[in-house]
Amino acid sequence: EPEVTQTPSHQVTQMGQEVILRCVPISNHLYFYWYRQILGQKVEFLVSFYNNEISEKSEIFDDQFSVERPDGSNFTLKIRSTKLEDSAMYFCASRGDVHGYTFGSGTRLTVV
Amino acid sequence: QKEVEQNSGPLSVPEGAIASLNCTYSDRVSQSFFWYRQYSGKSPELIMSIYSNGDKEDGRFTAQLNKASQYVSLLIRDSQPSDSATYLCALYSGNTGKLIFGQGTTLQVKP
Repeated sequence: EPEVTQTPSHQVTQMGQEVILRCVPISNHLYFYWYRQILGQKVEFLVSFYNNEISEKSEIFDDQFSVERPDGSNFTLKIRSTKLEDSAMYFCASRGDVHGYTFGSGTRLTVV
Repeated sequence: QKEVEQNSGPLSVPEGAIASLNCTYSDRVSQSFFWYRQYSGKSPELIMSIYSNGDKEDGRFTAQLNKASQYVSLLIRDSQPSDSATYLCALYSGNTGKLIFGQGTTLQVKP
């Protein structure tokens, strides 16, 4: 069964550093998403991406965040200057049609 | 603000019993609803989707949707200890297919 692959599984970074979280969506999917889940809290939408541009972003997705699909297969989330409150699980997801949402296994980001 | 509300639990049931999980939502135009299971530290895993009023059954799972009452539920029959997890209710919002999640209900199935 096709999978969404995320790397790394765990990233520890110092406050103020830039991090890039990587995702390889399912190859024939057209819609890509990032979600985050702070420990003990709900899964929150960050951004959706379609046709090589952001189609929607949440209030959380401020200027510190950016997404890119640099080579037609990878889908990355960059956080420019990490804060302690960015510590969370970050999930990538892709979707091929209305019924076809697939989540990656997640990256645990710890900011120290 | 579109909201999805769930009782955080924990909901504790004995093995073999029926577990009933409930969810309410605020956006009347929502059409697509989902139940996900999430084990601690893992990603959400789709269990059921439901789009029409009424019941939808898949194995031990039954999803129920009542759009007039803005209410979605999930019944798990013959609960097993392996069903112990957090169950997330979610709905599609807007044109981009983003999911809005509830905070989840923790289910504990005791042997």
